[in-house]
Amino acid sequence: DVKVTQSSRYLVKRTGEKVFLECVQDMDHENMFWYRQDPGLGLRLIYFSYDVKMKEKGDIPEGYSVSREKKERFSLILESASTNQTSMYLCASSWSLETQYFGPGTRLLVL
Amino acid sequence: AQSVTQLDSQVPVFEEAPVELRCNYSSSVSVYLFWYVQYPNQGLQLLLKYLSGSTLVESINGFEAEFNKSQTSFHLRKPSVHISDTAEYFCAVKGTGFQKLVFGTGTRLLVSP
Repeated sequence: DVKVTQSSRYLVKRTGEKVFLECVQDMDHENMFWYRQDPGLGLRLIYFSYDVKMKEKGDIPEGYSVSREKKERFSLILESASTNQTSMYLCASSWSLETQYFGPGTRLLVL
Repeated sequence: AQSVTQLDSQVPVFEEAPVELRCNYSSSVSVYLFWYVQYPNQGLQLLLKYLSGSTLVESINGFEAEFNKSQTSFHLRKPSVHISDTAEYFCAVKGTGFQKLVFGTGTRLLVSP
């Protein structure tokens, strides 16, 4: 079974803090993705990576950055958290660019 | 760019009733289509997918979806739902080649006794 884990299920941060969300997959997948999920908006792609040290912007990259130093780990960074970044963050990985396997999500609250 | 429309944000049904969750996508020469399910407080799980071949695809828990190219639809159906099917369902589409997966806004299925 593919396993995608995210470092925290729930996180509370203050405005202006630097926030790190970690994602690890154990299936040697090439591709990894970060989405945010908001009610009525579905999933929106923030960044994705198709190889170590490679990254591509998704639909809503503003205010975020990513890091992929090792194949199994893909980190999402909020340089200076803002209240409009309160959301559910979902990480996914895939071997091909078809079936994506998702982690359980991190619910982030920025106060 | 591809887009996906799920017109129903919420679908309430009684247990053992049939259900259809609608999904339409913008047309393209070739597409891959997916349904994902999200149970409360969990991530998304792949329910079923259409890549090629038979236009009717089935999941292990009784759901099915039919790829209809002329209507650009990929509706999800189940003849008899259970309480445990209560979840949010997302339709997604990807064109061939290096293109990202595009998700619909989701449909919340609420099954009551």
